[in-house]
Amino acid sequence: KQEVTQIPAALSVPEGENLVLNCSFTDSAIYNLQWFRQDPGKGLTSLLLIQSSQREQTSGRLNASLDKSSGRSTLYIAASQPGDSATYLCAVYAGGTSYGKLTFGQGTILTVHP
Amino acid sequence: DGGITQSPKYLFRKEGQNVTLSCEQNLNHDAMYWYRQDPGQGLRLIYYSQIVNDFQKGDIAEGYSVSREKKESFPLTVTSAQKNPTAFYLCASSTGTSGKGDTQYFGPGTRLTVL
Repeated sequence: KQEVTQIPAALSVPEGENLVLNCSFTDSAIYNLQWFRQDPGKGLTSLLLIQSSQREQTSGRLNASLDKSSGRSTLYIAASQPGDSATYLCAVYAGGTSYGKLTFGQGTILTVHP
Repeated sequence: DGGITQSPKYLFRKEGQNVTLSCEQNLNHDAMYWYRQDPGQGLRLIYYSQIVNDFQKGDIAEGYSVSREKKESFPLTVTSAQKNPTAFYLCASSTGTSGKGDTQYFGPGTRLTVL
């Protein structure tokens, strides 16, 4: 059974710092990995999707990497801003008989203070 | 505006009642999903539908039911058989065409509280 773990559970940084969020998964047979952002009491917003054949994806100040063989992904946020404060979730898609099924981590709560 | 809408935003249920959560999308997506989120936990899949008139159980389907009579609608009923229904419920959709995990787009959620 696929399990996804995110470390740390919470992170507080001053504005302007570069930071890394970690995601690990137990079964390396995945099709892709997605990073989402969730603001308090809101739905999820997709940030980046990395296919299993890719090593990284970039969008603005965000860079996500994937090492499928070791079961790890990182989300790098450059020059953090207070508006980046949110919960960040990673999810993996295994495919096969689990069509469309994403397995989520528990999330990292990020606080960026001015 | 294209997107996913969920209603109501807040819902209160008495013990023994069934309640239905609405999810509508105008993205022309084939696949739709229902997730449950509890405090400090990730999302868990309740049901999903790849196409109209077809749906599959997810990891925690007991006490829930769904229907998919129209492409744009995927309502979730929380029945009295669900023993601990207080949670945040999220609906999502995706094109469902690649077979390799398309990006899922989420609605704003419904917070259900049992009184």
